[in-house]
Amino acid sequence: SAVISQKPSRDICQRGTSLTIQCQVDSQVTMMFWYRQQPGQSLTLIATANQGSEATYESGFVIDKFPISRPNLTFSTLTVSNLSPEDSSIYLCSVEDGAFGGGSSYEQYFGPGTRLTVT
Amino acid sequence: AQSVTQPDIHITVSEGASLELRCNYSYGATPYLFWYVQSPGQGLQLLLKYFSGDTLVQGIKGFEAEFKRSQSSFNLRKPSVHWSDAAEYFCAVGAGNNRKLIWGLGTSLAVNP
Repeated sequence: SAVISQKPSRDICQRGTSLTIQCQVDSQVTMMFWYRQQPGQSLTLIATANQGSEATYESGFVIDKFPISRPNLTFSTLTVSNLSPEDSSIYLCSVEDGAFGGGSSYEQYFGPGTRLTVT
Repeated sequence: AQSVTQPDIHITVSEGASLELRCNYSYGATPYLFWYVQSPGQGLQLLLKYFSGDTLVQGIKGFEAEFKRSQSSFNLRKPSVHWSDAAEYFCAVGAGNNRKLIWGLGTSLAVNP
């Protein structure tokens, strides 16, 4: 399975600023996903990031607030812009394993997450 | 629409006792089924998965799960719980062509010594 790292692991940011989260994978993957997990809650998918194409956002999430880059098959960034306390969450990236160049397995592997606190 | 239900928000068991966490899904065909565990302050780890074949699947850390088509269920079991199993457990299903997972709300497991 793929090994995923995220940076930073945690951060405390002031409202109105932005935070960019990096996700690095140790192998080439087609599909990368960004999730938000609010305190004590389940996972909510923010967007799906394919290399070489625009990210696909879920309902309730917009590119201006959550711009995503996917410059190659092993790396992606998520920026959370114009921060407010409601953005305080854990942000997780994941990759779909075994699907590079092939069909979907739906099997996802996760990074350790980035814990964001907005003051 | 596809959905995943984990009926138990919180479960407490004694160490050494058996465990069963419930998961029900709504989908017209057999989906891809997963159980993930999230320990405090950690990311999610895949425990086990079911795609097809034998309906009883074995996972890591001594967990198993059984797919029951007639009940649209994929319950997670462990015969003897260890204190280190205290965590949040998520059931997820993948179905259709959009390559996304649908997540349950999770079950929080506490283990009494």
